[in-house]
Amino acid sequence: SQQGEEDPQALSIQEGENATMNCSYKTSINNLQWYRQNSGRGLVHLILIRSNEREKHSGRLRVTLDTSKKSSSLLITASRAADTASYFCATDSNSGGYQKVTFGTGTKLQVIP
Amino acid sequence: SQTIHQWPATLVQPVGSPLSLECTVEGTSNPNLYWYRQAAGRGLQLLFYSVGIGQISSEVPQNLSASRPQDRQFILSSKKLLLSDSGFYLCAWSVSAGFEAFFGQGTRLTVV
Repeated sequence: SQQGEEDPQALSIQEGENATMNCSYKTSINNLQWYRQNSGRGLVHLILIRSNEREKHSGRLRVTLDTSKKSSSLLITASRAADTASYFCATDSNSGGYQKVTFGTGTKLQVIP
Repeated sequence: SQTIHQWPATLVQPVGSPLSLECTVEGTSNPNLYWYRQAAGRGLQLLFYSVGIGQISSEVPQNLSASRPQDRQFILSSKKLLLSDSGFYLCAWSVSAGFEAFFGQGTRLTVV
């Protein structure tokens, strides 16, 4: 199964509203990242939060991390139509002596103008 | 600055034909390289990752293979494509695991 699981799978909101997406994971992590993907395109990195951080901001983005619950949330404030995209969380894990980044299944966000 | 190139953007191949997708990175040395597959409307499945030349780790048993003939070149291959190989393939690089990954624009492969 995927290391990261986002919910909801799909979210539709009106422009100007806030959008909250959640991510849960199973194993210990060093950090957690959020990415955005426009339809049919590559992923773009949004924000990285380390395991010893609880909250991080970047513009209209706010990410929280609760390592005791193995969960993270991404909040987009004052959403815009241009925020319409899929959002993925990604966690790093150790495998065979190497670290690798694995992605969840994503939340598809639609912002209605 | 660093850039990643992935080509082709789209590809239609018959069942049983070979496949070669290429990914190159510029502006950095010894990157971690990744191949992901994304089924329609789904998340990313890690297929292969490489921490150095000739060092390839496979995540899932499949009909595909990967090679890293040069430091900044990562190739995804198949000898005989299956219908189930259709999907959106993404190449990515990072300084190392745990750092942000930079993605190519993807290749949409349709096996017919």
